Amino acid sequence: NAGVTQTPKFQVLKTGQSMTLQCAQDMNHEYMSWYRQDPGMGLRLIHYSVGAGITDQGEVPNGYNVSRSTTEDFPLRLLSAAPSQTSVYFCASSDGQAYGYTFGSGTRLTVV
Amino acid sequence: AQKVTQAQTEISVVEKEDVTLDCVYETRDTTYYLFWYKQPPSGELVFLIRRNSFDEQNEISGRYSWNFQKSTSSFNFTITASQVVDSAVYFCALRNSGYALNFGKGTSLLVTP
Repeated sequence: NAGVTQTPKFQVLKTGQSMTLQCAQDMNHEYMSWYRQDPGMGLRLIHYSVGAGITDQGEVPNGYNVSRSTTEDFPLRLLSAAPSQTSVYFCASSDGQAYGYTFGSGTRLTVV
Repeated sequence: AQKVTQAQTEISVVEKEDVTLDCVYETRDTTYYLFWYKQPPSGELVFLIRRNSFDEQNEISGRYSWNFQKSTSSFNFTITASQVVDSAVYFCALRNSGYALNFGKGTSLLVTP
């Protein structure tokens, strides 16, 4: 099925560990973005990309890295996990045209 | 810089009541796009509507309607005759120049029977 696939769905990390949250879309969308959702804070933009090889920082980029080597994939890397990064992470893609964004189902990350 | 404000944190209504969710935005762009999303208890984000800054017509879709007013920088969302299934968190968002979204903090709507 076409859409945005996020893996894993759940993850528990220890403080200081690193990991990569995967995001892949098969709709040939140019625009992709990562958000974190915390209670009472809504969704906050971490990083975004307007095409392969181009990324930029959002509102809360510290502690996260991204790259966009292909149109399909936009992985989010946690360099050294901290408890403050416990959150639900959503990836989204868009073709920038008439309709809304397609969101993945989210990754629930807990850092202990 | 862009900003989206949803001043109502939580709203509780009884089924069949009408309810309006407020959204106020700030942007320096002359062309911009606003969105509403619904997040039911299951957690997925459901697209409801997109509105561009050129089109100030109100939109109606079934029990849902949207009132976009550039003069007050508002894009309010009304549910008519609310139902229990409308219980969710609703987010208003503004697209930035990089085609990513700046979200408000959301309004949690609880509809009780």
